[in-house]
Amino acid sequence: RKEVEQDPGPFNVPEGATVAFNCTYSNSASQSFFWYRQDCRKEPKLLMSVYSSGNEDGRFTAQLNRASQYISLLIRDSKLSDSATYLCVVIGGYQKVTFGIGTKLQVIP
Amino acid sequence: DGGITQSPKYLFRKEGQNVTLSCEQNLNHDAMYWYRQDPGQGLRLIYYSQIVNDFQKGDIAEGYSVSREKKESFPLTVTSAQKNPTAFYLCASKPRDRSEKLFFGSGTQLSVL
Repeated sequence: RKEVEQDPGPFNVPEGATVAFNCTYSNSASQSFFWYRQDCRKEPKLLMSVYSSGNEDGRFTAQLNRASQYISLLIRDSKLSDSATYLCVVIGGYQKVTFGIGTKLQVIP
Repeated sequence: DGGITQSPKYLFRKEGQNVTLSCEQNLNHDAMYWYRQDPGQGLRLIYYSQIVNDFQKGDIAEGYSVSREKKESFPLTVTSAQKNPTAFYLCASKPRDRSEKLFFGSGTQLSVL
């Protein structure tokens, strides 16, 4: 089983739609969780940290569910500029940082 | 300005040749990482180091080697044992605090001639 699993998509959604991504992780001892965004063949950029209490930044909301070992990202009112690949990231022991395969989002006019 | 620098941006390797990718950071970060990304794939961890003179194998370490003799530098050697080396390689660093984000270099595209 992979340490971090994501549905690769693609998710094709119309502008203004709400879209949600999930990511599961296998190591219950994992410490920290993030969502990164990657545009084509560029370095990933931090989107937001993920906490059990939830984290909201404008149209983006991230949530951690430790009991079920998954994290989620919700994007409201999708914009064309949201089109990218969204990477789930988990930090475990010895500072090991593991990425999911990424979920590709395409927002359509 | 502080940052993380990878070089070269593009690199070509002949069959059977070893090549070394450079990664330097002046952010005073303890941890450094090497990832490989293939088209349509996520980032796969090759090696990582949480402190000078110490490093661990990631998920796809075979055919690669690293060193961490200085805090600022974490070079990656792609050896001839790596049978499919063509990929986009990303170096990253972060502070020791687990809540801190990763800082990435701009990547090196390695191609086999």
